[in-house]
Amino acid sequence: DTAVSQTPKYLVTQMGNDKSIKCEQNLGHDTMYWYKQDSKKFLKIMFSYNNKELIINETVPNRFSPKSPDKAHLNLHINSLELGDSAVYFCASSQGRGVEQYFGPGTRLTVT
Amino acid sequence: GDSVTQMEGPVTLSEEAFLTINCTYTATGYPSLFWYVQYPGEGLQLLLKATKADDKGSNKGFEATYRKETTSFHLEKGSVQVSDSAVYFCALSDNTGNQFYFGTGTSLTVIP
Repeated sequence: DTAVSQTPKYLVTQMGNDKSIKCEQNLGHDTMYWYKQDSKKFLKIMFSYNNKELIINETVPNRFSPKSPDKAHLNLHINSLELGDSAVYFCASSQGRGVEQYFGPGTRLTVT
Repeated sequence: GDSVTQMEGPVTLSEEAFLTINCTYTATGYPSLFWYVQYPGEGLQLLLKATKADDKGSNKGFEATYRKETTSFHLEKGSVQVSDSAVYFCALSDNTGNQFYFGTGTSLTVIP
């Protein structure tokens, strides 16, 4: 059984479009995260939710909006996509904060 | 602010060679320290962790010791295999548990 899953795995879209990436975890964790990994493998946290409450909101464009309908899901919606949004986006979860995180397989977003 | 610095790669080793990947950190208080591994095309997986000074984390032949006096958490393995080829990330969870910092990653290639 997949612990942290993301859909889609690949997403190719044009500039200006709006897209969503979904994340689900079946580990019973109360904290979920979104990370962006660039082409040089640099990993940057974007958002973190704990019990559906936003606790980390790093400096990202407001075109990015996370939504957590329940503790097991954290979706990422991106408006008006730009070329610079091309990256791999990872969802992760943990039980509590400051502890090990479990990562999904990633969504490779390509904006053309 | 808190941060993690790890040695730049790429690192190329022959099979059965000794591996060291250096990681140093800057933090207030007593952070938790982690090593993650990312195999090609996959998400990050927790490799090992240490939550207090002098703790040694170990897994799959890899080891790292939390050294407060040198603010380091170097990753070592006595004999690497081709299957260890991956990108390795050092990470820190701050005192509050609210922030998680990743190093820039070190790419390791093991050749037969």
